[in-house]
Amino acid sequence: AQSVTQLGSHVSVSEGALVLLRCNYSSSVPPYLFWYVQYPNQGLQLLLKYTSAATLVKGINGFEAEFKKSETSFHLTKPSAHMSDAAEYFCAVSDPAYGNNRLAFGKGNQVVVIP
Amino acid sequence: NAGVTQTPKFQVLKTGQSMTLQCAQDMNHEYMSWYRQDPGMGLRLIHYSVGAGITDQGEVPNGYNVSRSTTEDFPLRLLSAAPSQTSVYFCASSLGQETSNYGYTFGSGTRLTVV
Repeated sequence: AQSVTQLGSHVSVSEGALVLLRCNYSSSVPPYLFWYVQYPNQGLQLLLKYTSAATLVKGINGFEAEFKKSETSFHLTKPSAHMSDAAEYFCAVSDPAYGNNRLAFGKGNQVVVIP
Repeated sequence: NAGVTQTPKFQVLKTGQSMTLQCAQDMNHEYMSWYRQDPGMGLRLIHYSVGAGITDQGEVPNGYNVSRSTTEDFPLRLLSAAPSQTSVYFCASSLGQETSNYGYTFGSGTRLTVV
Protein backbone atom coordinates (compact mmCIF):
# COMPACT_ATOMS: atom_id res chain seq x y z
CA ALA A 1 0.00 0.00 0.00
CA GLN A 2 1.03 3.57 -0.59
CA SER A 3 2.80 5.42 2.21
CA VAL A 4 3.45 9.14 2.57
CA THR A 5 6.26 10.76 4.52
CA GLN A 6 6.17 14.31 5.82
CA LEU A 7 9.16 15.15 7.97
CA GLY A 8 8.99 17.58 10.87
CA SER A 9 5.65 17.63 12.63
CA HIS A 10 6.11 21.32 13.55
CA VAL A 11 7.63 23.85 11.17
CA SER A 12 8.39 27.41 12.25
CA VAL A 13 8.86 30.09 9.63
CA SER A 14 9.33 33.83 9.92
CA GLU A 15 6.78 36.11 8.30
CA GLY A 16 8.01 36.92 4.80
CA ALA A 17 10.31 33.90 4.60
CA LEU A 18 10.05 30.88 2.31
CA VAL A 19 7.68 28.12 3.33
CA LEU A 20 8.92 24.65 2.32
CA LEU A 21 7.07 21.48 3.31
CA ARG A 22 8.44 18.18 2.07
CA CYS A 23 6.41 15.19 0.93
CA ASN A 24 7.71 11.85 -0.32
CA TYR A 25 5.66 8.84 -1.31
CA SER A 26 6.47 5.17 -1.73
CA SER A 27 4.82 3.89 -4.89
CA SER A 28 6.81 3.53 -8.09
CA VAL A 29 3.63 4.01 -10.10
CA PRO A 30 3.06 7.73 -10.77
CA PRO A 31 0.20 8.60 -8.48
CA TYR A 32 -2.17 11.50 -8.08
CA LEU A 33 -1.01 13.94 -5.46
CA PHE A 34 -2.70 16.49 -3.25
CA TRP A 35 -1.95 19.02 -0.57
CA TYR A 36 -4.64 19.89 1.94
CA VAL A 37 -4.71 22.64 4.56
CA GLN A 38 -6.53 22.50 7.88
CA TYR A 39 -7.19 25.64 9.88
CA PRO A 40 -7.95 25.30 13.61
CA ASN A 41 -11.20 23.51 14.36
CA GLN A 42 -12.05 23.12 10.68
CA GLY A 43 -12.08 20.35 8.10
CA LEU A 44 -9.47 19.90 5.39
CA GLN A 45 -9.49 22.14 2.31
CA LEU A 46 -7.86 21.26 -0.98
CA LEU A 47 -4.83 23.48 -1.55
CA LEU A 48 -3.67 22.02 -4.86
CA LYS A 49 -3.52 18.79 -6.82
CA TYR A 50 -1.31 17.10 -9.40
CA THR A 51 -3.13 15.02 -12.01
CA SER A 52 -0.42 14.24 -14.62
CA ALA A 53 -0.47 17.58 -16.39
CA ALA A 54 2.26 20.16 -15.66
CA THR A 55 4.73 19.05 -13.02
CA LEU A 56 4.62 22.47 -11.33
CA VAL A 57 1.18 22.98 -9.84
CA LYS A 58 -0.17 26.26 -8.56
CA GLY A 59 -2.76 26.33 -5.82
CA ILE A 60 -4.66 28.78 -3.70
CA ASN A 61 -3.14 31.42 -1.42
CA GLY A 62 0.15 31.59 -3.37
CA PHE A 63 1.21 27.99 -2.75
CA GLU A 64 2.72 25.77 -5.38
CA ALA A 65 4.16 22.26 -5.52
CA GLU A 66 6.46 20.43 -7.88
CA PHE A 67 6.12 16.78 -8.80
CA LYS A 68 9.48 15.03 -9.22
CA LYS A 69 9.01 11.46 -10.35
CA SER A 70 12.69 10.52 -9.99
CA GLU A 71 12.64 11.63 -6.36
CA THR A 72 9.07 10.42 -5.63
CA SER A 73 8.45 13.83 -4.11
CA PHE A 74 5.79 16.54 -4.13
CA HIS A 75 7.15 19.38 -2.01
CA LEU A 76 4.99 22.40 -1.20
CA THR A 77 6.37 25.94 -1.28
CA LYS A 78 5.31 29.53 -0.83
CA PRO A 79 7.81 32.34 -1.43
CA SER A 80 6.68 34.60 1.41
CA ALA A 81 4.85 33.41 4.52
CA HIS A 82 1.89 35.35 5.89
CA MET A 83 0.46 35.10 9.39
CA SER A 84 -2.68 33.63 7.84
CA ASP A 85 -0.65 30.61 6.64
CA ALA A 86 -0.50 29.25 10.18
CA ALA A 87 -2.30 25.92 9.86
CA GLU A 88 -1.69 22.20 9.48
CA TYR A 89 -0.77 20.91 6.05
CA PHE A 90 -1.28 17.36 4.80
CA CYS A 91 0.15 15.67 1.76
CA ALA A 92 -2.06 12.95 0.27
CA VAL A 93 -1.33 10.41 -2.45
CA SER A 94 -3.67 8.11 -4.33
CA ASP A 95 -3.16 4.41 -3.75
CA PRO A 96 -3.05 2.43 -7.01
CA ALA A 97 -3.67 -0.78 -5.05
CA TYR A 98 -7.23 0.48 -4.64
CA GLY A 99 -7.78 1.86 -8.12
CA ASN A 100 -6.79 5.36 -7.01
CA ASN A 101 -10.03 5.66 -5.07
CA ARG A 102 -8.29 5.83 -1.75
CA LEU A 103 -5.92 8.48 -0.53
CA ALA A 104 -3.06 7.86 1.87
CA PHE A 105 -2.26 10.86 4.06
CA GLY A 106 0.99 11.96 5.62
CA LYS A 107 1.08 12.79 9.32
CA GLY A 108 0.95 16.50 8.67
CA ASN A 109 3.07 19.60 9.26
CA GLN A 110 1.92 22.17 11.79
CA VAL A 111 3.14 25.50 10.45
CA VAL A 112 3.80 28.32 12.90
CA VAL A 113 4.46 31.78 11.46
CA ILE A 114 6.66 34.01 13.61
CA PRO A 115 6.04 37.76 13.29
CA ASN B 1 -24.98 23.64 -1.68
CA ALA B 2 -24.17 22.42 1.82
CA GLY B 3 -21.33 20.11 0.70
CA VAL B 4 -20.53 17.49 3.35
CA THR B 5 -22.46 17.85 6.60
CA GLN B 6 -21.42 16.06 9.77
CA THR B 7 -23.42 15.87 12.97
CA PRO B 8 -22.92 16.23 15.85
CA LYS B 9 -19.91 18.57 16.06
CA PHE B 10 -19.07 17.50 19.60
CA GLN B 11 -19.98 14.44 21.63
CA VAL B 12 -19.00 12.97 24.97
CA LEU B 13 -19.71 9.28 25.53
CA LYS B 14 -19.24 6.94 28.43
CA THR B 15 -17.27 3.75 27.88
CA GLY B 16 -19.55 1.07 26.49
CA GLN B 17 -22.14 3.40 25.02
CA SER B 18 -23.01 3.27 21.35
CA MET B 19 -23.70 6.10 18.97
CA THR B 20 -23.93 7.04 15.31
CA LEU B 21 -21.99 9.82 13.65
CA GLN B 22 -23.94 11.21 10.74
CA CYS B 23 -22.56 12.24 7.37
CA ALA B 24 -24.57 13.57 4.46
CA GLN B 25 -23.54 15.07 1.13
CA ASP B 26 -25.65 16.81 -1.49
CA MET B 27 -23.19 16.69 -4.40
CA ASN B 28 -24.21 13.27 -5.76
CA HIS B 29 -20.76 11.91 -4.91
CA GLU B 30 -20.28 8.19 -5.36
CA TYR B 31 -17.30 7.78 -3.06
CA MET B 32 -17.55 8.45 0.68
CA SER B 33 -15.18 7.67 3.50
CA TRP B 34 -14.58 8.09 7.22
CA TYR B 35 -11.25 9.08 8.72
CA ARG B 36 -10.09 9.61 12.25
CA GLN B 37 -7.48 12.21 13.09
CA ASP B 38 -5.21 11.82 16.09
CA PRO B 39 -2.25 14.03 17.07
CA GLY B 40 0.92 12.97 15.26
CA MET B 41 -0.91 10.24 13.36
CA GLY B 42 -2.38 12.15 10.44
CA LEU B 43 -5.63 10.83 9.00
CA ARG B 44 -6.37 7.13 9.09
CA LEU B 45 -9.08 5.52 7.00
CA ILE B 46 -11.78 3.69 8.95
CA HIS B 47 -14.30 2.62 6.29
CA TYR B 48 -15.18 3.70 2.80
CA SER B 49 -17.90 3.24 0.19
CA VAL B 50 -17.73 3.39 -3.59
CA GLY B 51 -21.49 3.63 -3.99
CA ALA B 52 -24.84 2.85 -2.41
CA GLY B 53 -24.89 -0.67 -0.99
CA ILE B 54 -21.10 -1.10 -1.18
CA THR B 55 -18.77 -0.61 1.77
CA ASP B 56 -15.30 -1.82 2.69
CA GLN B 57 -12.81 -1.59 5.51
CA GLY B 58 -9.92 0.80 5.72
CA GLU B 59 -6.85 0.77 7.93
CA VAL B 60 -8.53 0.96 11.36
CA PRO B 61 -12.05 -0.55 11.10
CA ASN B 62 -12.26 -2.35 14.45
CA GLY B 63 -15.04 -1.06 16.69
CA TYR B 64 -16.85 0.72 13.86
CA ASN B 65 -19.66 -0.22 11.49
CA VAL B 66 -20.95 1.55 8.40
CA SER B 67 -23.76 1.18 5.89
CA ARG B 68 -24.65 3.03 2.68
CA SER B 69 -28.33 2.71 1.90
CA THR B 70 -28.44 5.93 -0.15
CA THR B 71 -25.93 7.90 -2.20
CA GLU B 72 -26.29 10.87 0.16
CA ASP B 73 -25.74 9.30 3.59
CA PHE B 74 -22.87 7.38 5.14
CA PRO B 75 -23.31 6.98 8.92
CA LEU B 76 -20.55 5.65 11.16
CA ARG B 77 -21.59 3.55 14.15
CA LEU B 78 -19.57 3.03 17.28
CA LEU B 79 -20.75 -0.25 18.72
CA SER B 80 -19.31 -0.02 22.25
CA ALA B 81 -17.27 3.12 22.79
CA ALA B 82 -13.77 2.86 24.24
CA PRO B 83 -11.38 5.62 25.39
CA SER B 84 -9.11 4.69 22.44
CA GLN B 85 -11.84 5.98 20.15
CA THR B 86 -11.44 9.52 21.46
CA SER B 87 -10.58 11.38 18.29
CA VAL B 88 -11.75 13.82 15.65
CA TYR B 89 -13.72 12.10 12.93
CA PHE B 90 -13.95 13.39 9.38
CA CYS B 91 -16.25 12.32 6.60
CA ALA B 92 -15.06 12.91 3.03
CA SER B 93 -16.64 12.43 -0.37
CA SER B 94 -15.50 12.40 -3.97
CA LEU B 95 -17.31 12.63 -7.27
CA GLY B 96 -16.03 9.80 -9.40
CA GLN B 97 -14.61 6.33 -9.43
CA GLU B 98 -11.18 7.85 -9.63
CA THR B 99 -10.42 10.36 -6.96
CA SER B 100 -7.58 11.64 -9.11
CA ASN B 101 -9.36 14.39 -10.96
CA TYR B 102 -11.48 15.60 -8.12
CA GLY B 103 -9.89 15.17 -4.72
CA TYR B 104 -12.01 14.90 -1.62
CA THR B 105 -14.51 17.28 -0.04
CA PHE B 106 -14.32 17.09 3.74
CA GLY B 107 -16.90 17.74 6.41
CA SER B 108 -16.06 19.98 9.36
CA GLY B 109 -15.54 17.05 11.73
CA THR B 110 -16.98 15.50 14.88
CA ARG B 111 -14.90 15.78 18.04
CA LEU B 112 -15.60 12.69 20.15
CA THR B 113 -14.47 12.14 23.73
CA VAL B 114 -14.98 8.78 25.43
CA VAL B 115 -14.68 8.85 29.22
